[in-house]
Amino acid sequence: DADVTQTPRNRITKTGKRIMLECSQTKGHDRMYWYRQDPGLGLRLIYYSFDVKDINKGEISDGYSVSRQAQAKFSLSLESAIPNQTALYFCATSDMGSTDTQYFGPGTRLTVL
Amino acid sequence: QKEVEQDPGPLSVPEGAIVSLNCTYSNSAFQYFMWYRQYSRKGPELLMYTYSSGNKEDGRFTAQVDKSSKYISLFIRDSQPSDSATYLCAMSGSGGSNYKLTFGKGTLLTVNP
Repeated sequence: DADVTQTPRNRITKTGKRIMLECSQTKGHDRMYWYRQDPGLGLRLIYYSFDVKDINKGEISDGYSVSRQAQAKFSLSLESAIPNQTALYFCATSDMGSTDTQYFGPGTRLTVL
Repeated sequence: QKEVEQDPGPLSVPEGAIVSLNCTYSNSAFQYFMWYRQYSRKGPELLMYTYSSGNKEDGRFTAQVDKSSKYISLFIRDSQPSDSATYLCAMSGSGGSNYKLTFGKGTLLTVNP
């Protein structure tokens, strides 16, 4: 089984809908991250969490919220989806002692109509 | 000026060619330099990791860092069709405690049989 899993893998939704993307990991890492990837813009950090009680905004957090339900689970929510949130979303994890080595999930392709 | 600049390509080479991928950066605080490889419809995976200036070799892959020029490179020798992927450079200010990786936009490489 994959170490970092994301659900759903693909999602099409409408403007104004609330959606949640979920991430689970079996690597035992403390740190988890949410990124979005857009053509021509690369990977951009949305939120990151160093442990269950420590959640921080990244560079593009507006319009998003997160929940760290357990060490192994980190969810990303779009409260009211808009078309420019159409992107590929990645969850990643890293060990406390090696933050630069991040392990990515397979991604969720989100389309907001 | 963006913190990390990477030529997006696309780059197309014949099998067996030597490939050179490059990134420049502006933040002199960056000390850790990474190359991630991303296959189509997959999450990025760490390929090479270097600290400060110098070279690091791993099989057909060589990573070079020139901090004085703020320039990093990834060389692929004897390129194979299986090397076809997007290559992202990434860097951070310090390992361990520093959460934030700054990514380049990625270079799409195709190796033709």
